[in-house]
Amino acid sequence: AQTVTQSQPEMSVQEAETVTLSCTYDTSESDYYLFWYKQPPSRQMILVIRQEAYKQQNATENRFSVNFQKAAKSFSLKISDSQLGDAAMYFCAQNTGFQKLVFGTGTRLLVSP
Amino acid sequence: DVKVTQSSRYLVKRTGEKVFLECVQDMDHENMFWYRQDPGLGLRLIYFSYDVKMKEKGDIPEGYSVSREKKERFSLILESASTNQTSMYLCASSLSPGAGYEQYFGPGTRLTVT
Repeated sequence: AQTVTQSQPEMSVQEAETVTLSCTYDTSESDYYLFWYKQPPSRQMILVIRQEAYKQQNATENRFSVNFQKAAKSFSLKISDSQLGDAAMYFCAQNTGFQKLVFGTGTRLLVSP
Repeated sequence: DVKVTQSSRYLVKRTGEKVFLECVQDMDHENMFWYRQDPGLGLRLIYFSYDVKMKEKGDIPEGYSVSREKKERFSLILESASTNQTSMYLCASSLSPGAGYEQYFGPGTRLTVT
């Protein structure tokens, strides 16, 4: 079975600094997608960034970027210039068959002024 | 913008009651999902549907059933609620492959069973 592991239950960062959230996954597929989702305290889960496994280039969305290491099955999220609004639960996910996603257990990000 | 709505944000039910959680999406998505979210466990898939009247079990289907009579609506049913079903329930929807498998989530329903 495919698994996604987030080993950091909680991370802290100060405003304007950079933080990296870790994620590893296990799959036998050669083509797949990886995702980072954000769940703010209001609970609506939103997509932060998506990476296609066959693409070598790391995805970037404004202050959010990933470090995708396919051979190591690692997919970390870097948040630059952190803002108070970045405080949330962050979930790493990978797609499986039938368009399903497998999620990690989440990392709570705390942002201090 | 895709919108996924859930019928209740908070729900309190008694043990043994039949509970219906409703989810509606407005973007003509083929796929719909029900997840359960518990601290330290992440999101676990209960059931999903890839077409009207079609359903597949997820990882934790025991104690739950689903119904999809219309494309935009996907219902989760707790036949006889138990205290161990107290949780946050999230609904999601997605297009078929070609759209990157991105799922769009509703705001969640916090269910408490007493």
